[in-house]
Amino acid sequence: QKEVEQNSGPLSVPEGAIASLNCTYSDRGSQSFFWYRQYSGKSPELIMFIYSNGDKEDGRFTAQLNKASQYVSLLIRDSQPSDSATYLCAVNGTGGSYIPTFGRGTSLIVHP
Amino acid sequence: GAGVSQSPSNKVTEKGKDVELRCDPISGHTALYWYRQSLGQGLEFLIYFQGNSAPDKSGLPSDRFSAERTGGSVSTLTIQRTQQEDSAVYLCASSLALAPYEQYFGPGTRLTVT
Repeated sequence: QKEVEQNSGPLSVPEGAIASLNCTYSDRGSQSFFWYRQYSGKSPELIMFIYSNGDKEDGRFTAQLNKASQYVSLLIRDSQPSDSATYLCAVNGTGGSYIPTFGRGTSLIVHP
Repeated sequence: GAGVSQSPSNKVTEKGKDVELRCDPISGHTALYWYRQSLGQGLEFLIYFQGNSAPDKSGLPSDRFSAERTGGSVSTLTIQRTQQEDSAVYLCASSLALAPYEQYFGPGTRLTVT
C-alpha cells in the first residue's frame, strides 16, 4: 500500500513569512512529485512538479525533493493571505500504473 | 482554452435512486480520471481512462459504481442505488498522455444523498 503522508495542519504563518509544507512517501520507486493547491470549495490546481533531487523554483514557490529520505517539500516565500488553502502532495504511480497517490493535504493559513 | 467541465454542479438525490455525473475533458487530453473527495478527506481515486485502452477500475468502491467514456472524450460516472455514504464531491481530471500526472481538474459535482 503506497502511502503519502502530510501533516493536516493548520499551519499558520504571518504574511510575508516563509511557509514550509512537507510530505513523505513510502514507495522508493516513485519518480514524480506534484503539489496541488485547493482553495476551500474549489477543485485542486497543479502548482508545482519535481522529478529530480534538489530544488525547483517557480516564482515564490520552491519544491524540494530528497529521494534518499523520501520526502518532498514546498516552500512559499513572502506568503500572502491569498495563499491560504489546502496543499495536496501527489506521487506518481509505480509498476506501470498511471494512478497517482494523493496525501490528505495540509491546510495553510496566512494571517495579515 | 476551455478547461474541464462537469455537470451537474450539485445533485441532491434520494437514497436508492441512480445518478449520472458527466465530465467533459480538455480537448486533446486522452487521459481522464474520476476521484471523489469527502468532507475533510483526501482524493480517492475511482477510475482511469487512457485513450482506447481498457479502463483501470481498481478504485471503484462497489459494483454500484460504473463509468464509461464515449469517443475518447466525454465520460459519465453512474452510481446505482445511491447510499448516504456516496455523498461527496466527485471530481474529474484530464491530462495529456505524455504527462499523466499533470492533471487538470474540473469544478466537481457535489452529490448529496438524502
